[in-house]
Amino acid sequence: GESVGLHLPTLSVQEGDNSIINCAYSNSASDYFIWYKQESGKGPQFIIDIRSNMDKRQGQRVTVLLNKTVKHLSLQIAATQPGDSAVYFCAENKGSARQLTFGSGTQLTVLP
Amino acid sequence: GAVVSQHPSRVICKSGTSVKIECRSLDFQATTMFWYRQFPKQSLMLMATSNEGSKATYEQGVEKDKFLINHASLTLSTLTVTSAHPEDSSFYICSALRGSANEKLFFGSGTQLSVL
Repeated sequence: GESVGLHLPTLSVQEGDNSIINCAYSNSASDYFIWYKQESGKGPQFIIDIRSNMDKRQGQRVTVLLNKTVKHLSLQIAATQPGDSAVYFCAENKGSARQLTFGSGTQLTVLP
Repeated sequence: GAVVSQHPSRVICKSGTSVKIECRSLDFQATTMFWYRQFPKQSLMLMATSNEGSKATYEQGVEKDKFLINHASLTLSTLTVTSAHPEDSSFYICSALRGSANEKLFFGSGTQLSVL
């Protein structure tokens, strides 16, 4: 079946460096993508979203890039901080946030 | 931002008992809420879609008589795990859908259920 997946299950970066978390999706009909951050024992927290009519969107310290040609999504975190340590999930759907399909997650660890 | 409150955050119960988890949208009305289950180091798995005033829609493989969902108001959905067993131990998360033209999903803080 079609699914959303991640290339790297774990990622360790030095504090202050930039982080890049990748996600591959296979449903070519998906046109809405979201990145969530989940800290241990908590629910997912919305970070940033992007629709398929865009290839880049920027937020505060975060940038999401969408490459529809290769069905690839990435989340870039600038100047990574200890508080950024968490599991990051990409999610996708067709049209809206209703019934999102979640990827398998990447554990980001920020080293001092 | 929108707030979704989930209660309790943690519950320990004996095998065979039932546990109710509440999910409330505090500052918006949510005609649709979702319930997920998450095992350690795994992704969120959608269990069911809860619609206000109608029956919930369950995903394939989820027992509707085991996981009772009630969405009696626009701000409250409840999930009851009936006759809980150790294999039901998991992290349960709810989410609420806000908006119509530009829908966004907001998550509760999750409930860690441990069945002894």
